[in-house]
Amino acid sequence: EGQLLESGGGLVQPGGSLRLSCAASGFTFSSYAMSWVRQAPGKGLEWVSAISGSGGSTFYADSVKGRFTISRDNSKNTMSLQMNSLRAEDTAVYYCAKGSGKYPFGSTFDYWGQGTLVTVSS
Amino acid sequence: EIVLTQSPGTLSLSPGERATLSCRASQSVSSNYLAWYQQKPGQAPRLLIYAASSRATGIPDRFSGSGSGTDFTLTISRLEPEDFAVYYCQQYGSSLTFGGGTKVEIK
Repeated sequence: EGQLLESGGGLVQPGGSLRLSCAASGFTFSSYAMSWVRQAPGKGLEWVSAISGSGGSTFYADSVKGRFTISRDNSKNTMSLQMNSLRAEDTAVYYCAKGSGKYPFGSTFDYWGQGTLVTVSS
Repeated sequence: EIVLTQSPGTLSLSPGERATLSCRASQSVSSNYLAWYQQKPGQAPRLLIYAASSRATGIPDRFSGSGSGTDFTLTISRLEPEDFAVYYCQQYGSSLTFGGGTKVEIK
């Protein structure tokens, strides 16, 4: 059974940067797309970014395009999200989620981590 | 981008009753790539249904999904105490988008 563990959340000032990591275990990491999904306090789910199993294709929500960068290291079973130029509206719990296939589209999220809280505030 | 609208926003029911949740898409969802997730307070979402009507591993058969094109439904045939939660639909055919959620609360 797949397990995902996020790390790297915390308090950061507006305009600052933060790097989130997701460590995966229990499945063949390189065979599956991975995504970041966030949830602002008291709000619904918002997909943020996705990366294909090989790492060759990346995708972003319009709200983070140009500011966030997703990457993965299949040799270490890890995925990362580099977040720059952070804004107050980026405040949320960020979940790492495993896709059910190699490509993000056509894949559901069948495993989720417990999330890491990012707070953007001065 | 496909926008998903869930209704009602809140559903107040008693244990043992039937719950019917709706998810409407702004355009047709390709290949019926529509999923449903359950989220309880302080927990990550859990996949319930994929491809509009297929139950995920370990999901009880009181949960069922139906629909196609732009109109989809999640039905919980008889609510158990652990079913009171927030439910989200998600389309994964064209980009990845979630509905706003339906809260199923105890009446």
